[in-house]
Amino acid sequence: DIQMTQSPSTLSASVGDRVTITCRASESISSWLAWYQQKPGKAPRLLIYKASSLERGIPSRFSGSGSGTQFTLTISSLQPDDFATYYCQHYNSHSRKFGQGTKVEIK
Amino acid sequence: EEQLVESGGDLVRPGGSLRLSCAATGFTFTSYAMNWVRQAPGKGLEWVSGLSGSGVSTYYADSVKGRFTITRDNSKNEVYLQMISLRVEDTAIYYCARSFAATLWGPGTLVTVSS
Repeated sequence: DIQMTQSPSTLSASVGDRVTITCRASESISSWLAWYQQKPGKAPRLLIYKASSLERGIPSRFSGSGSGTQFTLTISSLQPDDFATYYCQHYNSHSRKFGQGTKVEIK
Repeated sequence: EEQLVESGGDLVRPGGSLRLSCAATGFTFTSYAMNWVRQAPGKGLEWVSGLSGSGVSTYYADSVKGRFTITRDNSKNEVYLQMISLRVEDTAIYYCARSFAATLWGPGTLVTVSS
């Protein structure tokens, strides 16, 4: 059973900062990885799929990279609307597995 | 407009049963796999179950295998989650989500399992 581990669990940052969140898979998942943003009381929103493809309508300050077991989500210049919790997710035809989440807080 | 709307959440006793529904509008329903994802209060996201566009292939997280059943009615554009032998730890908001990388989510429905 593939496990997904995110780091850090919490991140304090300021508007304008470059932010990087890491997700590690317990075994190779090729590029079958997505990133989501979730705000309190709301459903998650897809940001990135297939490790590095930007979902339609998502600002270009969000980017994803990696393959195999190591992945990153980068926000190039943090905006006030970006303070939220971020989740990585491995997906394939028969299973999906989320990381435990990274909360991005205001410094 | 593409939309998913869940219903059926309720307060239920441990050991009880519940059936959740998710109505889809605005897209070709049969073209997409569908999923249920849950989130316990103050916790992270947990994928629960998924099924193929035809409904033939179904998949479950180990935590619900044997207790939950996912189905779909493509004539009604709806997906369901039948839950039996409910436990306190099944308490969560249950989201319906479209596709493998979930491009569309419903607002969720709350299931509370408590005596």
